[in-house]
Amino acid sequence: GEDVEQSLFLSVREGDSSVINCTYTDSSSTYLYWYKQEPGAGLQLLTYIFSNMDMKQDQRLTVLLNKKDKHLSLRIADTQTGDSAIYFCAESNPPGNTDKLIFGTGTRLQVFP
Amino acid sequence: EAGVTQFPSHSVIEKGQTVTLRCDPISGHDNLYWYRRVMGKEIKFLLHFVKESKQDESGMPNNRFLAERTGGTYSTLKVQPAELEDSGVYFCASSQDRRRTNSNTGELFFGEGSRLTVL
Repeated sequence: GEDVEQSLFLSVREGDSSVINCTYTDSSSTYLYWYKQEPGAGLQLLTYIFSNMDMKQDQRLTVLLNKKDKHLSLRIADTQTGDSAIYFCAESNPPGNTDKLIFGTGTRLQVFP
Repeated sequence: EAGVTQFPSHSVIEKGQTVTLRCDPISGHDNLYWYRRVMGKEIKFLLHFVKESKQDESGMPNNRFLAERTGGTYSTLKVQPAELEDSGVYFCASSQDRRRTNSNTGELFFGEGSRLTVL
């Protein structure tokens, strides 16, 4: 089946780390993505991970992939108020076809001072 | 370089009326996609154009929705007649031909979305 799940809200204090979690059901997915949507803007690709990787780090962002549990997480270090946005997890479907993405519901991250 | 642009940004119509949404992809992008987010739920795929051809329209909800991309440039998505459950945000995205970019990640560039409210 095709289903990507995320928690709806996350609230963190500025300077703390944020961890946004996602579970997916298609074990054969090849690419998993994190998109960010700021208020009044479109979705912007933040980062992606190939399914043969366990971890990917890009500056303040760390993506962890647990294939056994079909769990994907996005960690934002030193969270800033500018990180406040909706974060969408997505998987490519069918595997290898990056034209059709299955998105989660999005997690709204609120950063307070 | 201009990004993906969508028009209108917000449309309010009554049930039974017709609405046409427009998307201008990034110049040179052969791939164009329509997605929809309804009632704060997940973003769902509607269809995919490669140039002017429909590559995959498996996500189109029903025959009240008609998407076109004449000439392979901009695309329109028409809803006729609109129903209450069609309310949501319609996103358009575009991407390059992966053979040109030599990339498998196929990054999609999204527009800001067109919010449709059906009363």
